[in-house]
Amino acid sequence: SAVISQKPSRDICQRGTSLTIQCQVDSQVTMMFWYRQQPGQSLTLIATANQGSEATYESGFVIDKFPISRPNLTFSTLTVSNMSPEDSSIYLCSVADLALDEQYFGPGTRLTVT
Amino acid sequence: GEDVEQSLFLSVREGDSSVINCTYTDSSSTYLYWYKQEPGAGLQLLTYIFSNMDMKQDQRLTVLLNKKDKHLSLRIADTQTGDSAIYFCAENGGYQKVTFGTGTKLQVIP
Repeated sequence: SAVISQKPSRDICQRGTSLTIQCQVDSQVTMMFWYRQQPGQSLTLIATANQGSEATYESGFVIDKFPISRPNLTFSTLTVSNMSPEDSSIYLCSVADLALDEQYFGPGTRLTVT
Repeated sequence: GEDVEQSLFLSVREGDSSVINCTYTDSSSTYLYWYKQEPGAGLQLLTYIFSNMDMKQDQRLTVLLNKKDKHLSLRIADTQTGDSAIYFCAENGGYQKVTFGTGTKLQVIP
């Protein structure tokens, strides 16, 4: 299984600011995803991070709000822009091979927006 | 779109078996998964089953898949207090993304 780390593990941010979350994997992976888990809720896929091209966003999520980078096969960033209290969530990075038979998650970044 | 549903809560006594159920709507699912999330922790992949299987056993865990009814279950034998967590069912609908269920909170009573 892949070992995934995320930075920061948690942060408290002010409304209107932006936060960039980093995801680092200990091996090259084909698929990288970003999920959001709002308090007491299930996971919602934000986007698939594509290496060398623009991320693929799910319905309800846009690049201006959640810009994503993936410069190589082991690293990705998610930025939460112009934050509001509704963005308070856990943000999870996830990786998988192309078959998606095993998908692993990072420890998450707990974001609180005040 | 794809929909995955679970009951929200299950309470069992220590030593009993737990059965967590899940239904899904996407008939093109390739893999179905069970994840465990302990309080304040990330998600741990417990097990997964390929859609052409109907059962998979791994130590205390048994996964049953009824593809016709689109029903997935996770049985935990000899449930321990350390099994208390939220369990998420998830399915891969073949569009290179995984859809998660609402999660079932398992409470184990000593």
